[in-house]
Amino acid sequence: GIQVEQSPPDLILQEGANSTLRCNFSDSVNNLQWFHQNPWGQLINLFYIPSGTKQNGRLSATTVATERYSLLYISSSQTTDSGVYFCAFGISGAGSYQLTFGKGTKLSVIP
Amino acid sequence: DTAVSQTPKYLVTQMGNDKSIKCEQNLGHDTMYWYKQDSKKFLKIMFSYNNKELIINETVPNRFSPKSPDKAHLNLHINSLELGDSAVYFCASSQDERDSGNTIYFGEGSWLTVV
Repeated sequence: GIQVEQSPPDLILQEGANSTLRCNFSDSVNNLQWFHQNPWGQLINLFYIPSGTKQNGRLSATTVATERYSLLYISSSQTTDSGVYFCAFGISGAGSYQLTFGKGTKLSVIP
Repeated sequence: DTAVSQTPKYLVTQMGNDKSIKCEQNLGHDTMYWYKQDSKKFLKIMFSYNNKELIINETVPNRFSPKSPDKAHLNLHINSLELGDSAVYFCASSQDERDSGNTIYFGEGSWLTVV
């Protein structure tokens, strides 16, 4: 199956700093998403980004499908950005949509 | 209103017991899922289910069984609980596959601890 690799596994930032999280795939994927799991465990869908670039406030994501990677940018980080960031690709079929997740990047933003 | 709700949020139980986790979605979605997150935060699909088909991840032990009384509910039953079943279980739902893929909603998770 397709392998998903996220880097770095852990990241500590000073509040206000910028960061880039990376997601590499072993093969082409059609549906890529980024999720944030906050320290309370809640999973929040950030972006559906099969290709191109999207922005939402201080967050943006870029996927280069031909190069099999996706990047998540966090600018002017805040303590509320702490948590684990997952990329995932989706496989559609038989009326369902299953996500395969990477192992995540654990981000800690310190004041 | 919570879109995808799970109960209980926390569950501590002894080995060998049988337990259930309930999930309800009020989004009118066609498909529901169960995911398992282990102690290393790795998230993995367990089941996906709509009114047409149940798709089971082949690595899931048959002690785990989903039960769907109707389209809005997908409960997870676990028999003969083992220590390794300790994890966070997430329920999710989505519209059908023809959508953009940005329509998967997760519940808040159920923390299961087997002692």
